[in-house]
Amino acid sequence: QVQLQESGPGLVKPSETLSLTCTVSSYSISSGYNWGWIRQAPGKGLEWIGNFYRGGSTKYNPSLKSRVVISVDTSKNQFSLKLNSVTAADSAAYYCARHRESGPFDYWGQGTLVTVSS
Amino acid sequence: SYVLTQPPSVSVAPGETTRITCVENNIGSKSVHWYQQKPGQAPVMVIYYDTKRPSGIPERFSASNSGNTATLTITGVEAGDEADYFCQMWDNASDHPVFGGGTKLTVL
Repeated sequence: QVQLQESGPGLVKPSETLSLTCTVSSYSISSGYNWGWIRQAPGKGLEWIGNFYRGGSTKYNPSLKSRVVISVDTSKNQFSLKLNSVTAADSAAYYCARHRESGPFDYWGQGTLVTVSS
Repeated sequence: SYVLTQPPSVSVAPGETTRITCVENNIGSKSVHWYQQKPGQAPVMVIYYDTKRPSGIPERFSASNSGNTATLTITGVEAGDEADYFCQMWDNASDHPVFGGGTKLTVL
């Protein structure tokens, strides 16, 4: 059973960079599939942030593209999210997930709540 | 761009059947996936590629996709089915996923 686990600070100051890591277990991220980040503001729906594709490319939500970087560390079987210049509007639960090509997100992490506040 | 429209909420009595819709023009030409999200938990895929059910998901969950509407059907609803349900498709033109706004299922 593929497992994903997010980690990172739960509190980030405005204008700083939000950094999260997703550790994948029971599956090698270099074996295939794509890997993505999705967030959910309190009481709101799901917002895709971006994907890292198995070919090595990345794709980001146009609304966040200027502030987001997703990278992969295959040696640690992890992938990471960096979102800079955060504001209170970036406060949300952040989920990492495995993504099938042009398809569903079939495995999700439990999520981590990030609050942007001074 | 695509906008997947779901009813904000549906209510159903235990044991009854409920249907949750996801509407977009010609969505039947796309593959639709469904997720269940219980309070305080991560989403779980319950249907993928329109009608496929992952292992461990009860047969009470089924779905269809035709024309302008994709539908998730839950038969014999149980109290444990109370959750938010989201539909999702892939926008090939923009090369990114699109999520519906979600439907809160209340079991009376």
